[in-house]
Amino acid sequence: AQTVTQSQPEMSVQEAETVTLSCTYDTSESNYYLFWYKQPPSRQMILVIRQEAYKQQNATENRFSVNFQKAAKSFSLKISDSQLGDTAMYFCAFIPSNYGGSQGNLIFGKGTKLSVKP
Amino acid sequence: NAGVMQNPRHLVRRRGQEARLRCSPMKGHSHVYWYRQLPEEGLKFMVYLQKENIIDESGMPKERFSAEFPKEGPSILRIQQVVRGDSAAYFCASSPRSGGYNEQFFGPGTRLTVL
Repeated sequence: AQTVTQSQPEMSVQEAETVTLSCTYDTSESNYYLFWYKQPPSRQMILVIRQEAYKQQNATENRFSVNFQKAAKSFSLKISDSQLGDTAMYFCAFIPSNYGGSQGNLIFGKGTKLSVKP
Repeated sequence: NAGVMQNPRHLVRRRGQEARLRCSPMKGHSHVYWYRQLPEEGLKFMVYLQKENIIDESGMPKERFSAEFPKEGPSILRIQQVVRGDSAAYFCASSPRSGGYNEQFFGPGTRLTVL
């Protein structure tokens, strides 16, 4: 079975500091995609960053970057210069890259609640 | 280009009633996914549809739940004879094609409360 585990239910960080959210996953697939989604109090799911497993280079999007360790099946999210607007639930998600196949569903972790304090 | 639209945003039903949740995918998207989020949990996959076809319903409860995506109109998630345990946020996502590399764009969700 494919699973995603987020071991930190809650975290807090001071504004302008850096925080890292952890995620591990389990799969026998060799090709897949990993995502971090942000869910603010509005509950809208917003894609933060995406990583393709066959790419060794870690993805970055402005203040957001990942540390992807394929052998360890680890995919952590680093948020630099934290802002009050980063306060949200963060979900790690996985999907196999079954090109043209029927598998289309994302598998989510339980989430980490991040609070950015002024 | 409007995003994924879901309605209603909030739905209250009494036990035993039916709930109908609607999802209009983004323009040009023919793949629709439904997810359920229980309180304090991550999203759980329910069903994946293309126009007029159910591709994968492995996450759907066997009874009372059904989904469709007709040739014309929105996708519908239908829950018959609702129970308190059905209270959750239901999210729809759409993508232009299948495959993991295609981003799924999420709607704002429908929060179902069963009294």
